[in-house]
Amino acid sequence: QQQVKQSPQSLIVQKGGISIINCAYENTAFDYFPWYQQFPGKGPALLIAIRPDVSEKKEGRFTISFNKSAKQFSLHIMDSQPGDSATYFCAASIIKAAGNKLTFGGGTRVLVKP
Amino acid sequence: DAGVTQSPTHLIKTRGQQVTLRCSPKSGHDTVSWYQQALGQGPQFIFQYYEEEERQRGNFPDRFSGHQFPNYSSELNVNALLLGDSALYLCASTMTGGGPYGYTFGSGTRLTVV
Repeated sequence: QQQVKQSPQSLIVQKGGISIINCAYENTAFDYFPWYQQFPGKGPALLIAIRPDVSEKKEGRFTISFNKSAKQFSLHIMDSQPGDSATYFCAASIIKAAGNKLTFGGGTRVLVKP
Repeated sequence: DAGVTQSPTHLIKTRGQQVTLRCSPKSGHDTVSWYQQALGQGPQFIFQYYEEEERQRGNFPDRFSGHQFPNYSSELNVNALLLGDSALYLCASTMTGGGPYGYTFGSGTRLTVV
């Protein structure tokens, strides 16, 4: 059962443009929603994360928007740069659950054209 | 400060064989999780080890087993390899009580089953 659905699978954006990636979740017990960035040959690295008690979180050029009622959250990459070209994964977890496993979306491959 | 170290980097095995992958957690971390990432997909949780015991397990068959040593390092063993086991195997470490916040991933072991 895919508990976190991510879209689109890939996107191409011009340098300076905005990249938007969307995720939807099913399990209402999830209370931690991180985004990971993965470059080829590397493991995922935490980019930014949000808890459901806030609707938006911004760190530099990266912003998470969270809609608890719709069970959706999204990542916005402002002023996209060629160095942002990577695969992005949304994920969800239950903080107090033993193990705190991460449930990942399928990933979005982002290509920023110069 | 070394991050999560995984070995080997790449591995080719024949169907039916057995394989052992190794992971050294980040300094200060005592909890190790293993994830399987098939090509073009998000990581899938295999299991987590804490205090040398399996604390949580994902939806993987018993062919997948693990071990954690007193120094917190961990091994992932896969028996009776199938072609479908070909994937990037990621190790992630965190601190006890750190929840999902402090997840640090290694660069993975690329396993190819032929």
